Amino acid sequence: GIQVEQSPPDLILQEGANSTLRCNFSDSVNNLQWFHQNPWGQLINLFYIPSGTKQNGRLSATTVATERYSLLYISSSQTTDSGVYFCAVMSGAQKLVFGQGTRLTINP
Amino acid sequence: DSGVTQTPKHLITATGQRVTLRCSPRSGDLSVYWYQQSLDQGLQFLIQYYNGEERAKGNILERFSAQQFPDLHSELNLSSLELGDSALYFCASSVDGVAYEQYFGPGTRLTVT
Repeated sequence: GIQVEQSPPDLILQEGANSTLRCNFSDSVNNLQWFHQNPWGQLINLFYIPSGTKQNGRLSATTVATERYSLLYISSSQTTDSGVYFCAVMSGAQKLVFGQGTRLTINP
Repeated sequence: DSGVTQTPKHLITATGQRVTLRCSPRSGDLSVYWYQQSLDQGLQFLIQYYNGEERAKGNILERFSAQQFPDLHSELNLSSLELGDSALYFCASSVDGVAYEQYFGPGTRLTVT
């Protein structure tokens, strides 16, 4: 099945810093989503982005489907951005396959 | 709020017992998915239903079963529970089961003692 790799596994930043999270996948995809899992365990949809670029406030994402990767950018980080960020892809089959996540810690 | 509801939020039970987790999809969504998040396995797909019928199966144990009812809500039944079944169980829904965005509920945290 499709493999999903996220990097880095951990990221510690000061408030106000910018960050880039990467997601590599091993096959063509028909769905790619980014999620933020907050400290209470909730999975919050950030982007549905099988290809192209999208922006939502301080967050933006780009997926280059032909090169099999996606990037999530967070600018001017806030402590509330802390948590685990997951990339998940769907390739033909009905299920989302999740990466192992990037744990982001924003210190005040 | 994703519009997907799950009950209960927390469940503590003993080994060997049986529990039922409930999920109501977003209004208009026909497809329901169940995922399990454990410390050692990460987030894994269990099973999908579309408009009442099983559509896809993942790493779901034989002790686990699910169904989707005519009103589109779904239940995940876990039986003969083991310590290793302790996990966060998510339900997600989408309009269809192919490439549409999936929206996740708040999860049910199951602790088996």
